[in-house]
Amino acid sequence: DTGVSQNPRHKITKRGQNVTFRCDPISEHNRLYWYRQTLGQGPEFLTYFQNEAQLEKSRLLSDRFSAERPKGSFSTLEIQRTEQGDSAMYLCASSLGGVTSGGKLFFGSGTQLSVL
Amino acid sequence: GDSVTQMEGPVTLSEEAFLTINCTYTATGYPSLFWYVQYPGEGLQLLLKATKADDKGSNKGFEATYRKETTSFHLEKGSVQVSDSAVYFCALSAKGSARQLTFGSGTQLTVLP
Repeated sequence: DTGVSQNPRHKITKRGQNVTFRCDPISEHNRLYWYRQTLGQGPEFLTYFQNEAQLEKSRLLSDRFSAERPKGSFSTLEIQRTEQGDSAMYLCASSLGGVTSGGKLFFGSGTQLSVL
Repeated sequence: GDSVTQMEGPVTLSEEAFLTINCTYTATGYPSLFWYVQYPGEGLQLLLKATKADDKGSNKGFEATYRKETTSFHLEKGSVQVSDSAVYFCALSAKGSARQLTFGSGTQLTVLP
């Protein structure tokens, strides 16, 4: 168990630029989640994959956000035309099985995005 | 919609003091309840959970009891240590929405030696 890995740890970009983050889940985990966390707040759910299928998206995920999980392994989260309001910590988590059926979410350390 | 309300921090205690962090929730039906902890520079980790009313979750000396009557899941520890300094998040997963967690805003705990 090498844990959930996220890259990069930090990203600074100018408003209007596109950014992409990567998440490598724990290898045998079939479920992958993206959350966003702003300073002083708890994580907010963005989207969820089961294997390669994106099964749920939050209303927080505007059209500028897109996530993929090709082949059910790593995942990428892309933000197009970044805005200052996108500045946040982007967290990835994975699990084997659903949360209420006993699945335990393992979180990565996150990617801190700063939009100037 | 579903929501979690945590007591506001930060909380500062001396070592060996008693800890309570309040958490109440709003959800349809009977959700599963969780406490996650985030140590400095690390990812969130599951601390304990309870999946039905009157269940008590416990781990590392921390306890929380699922109270349906008061819709609460308060976190307690009898004697805190400096190493318990972290941010604590209460969270729920509603039945029928098992794919996601709804988190509270977190409570920063600092334990002084």
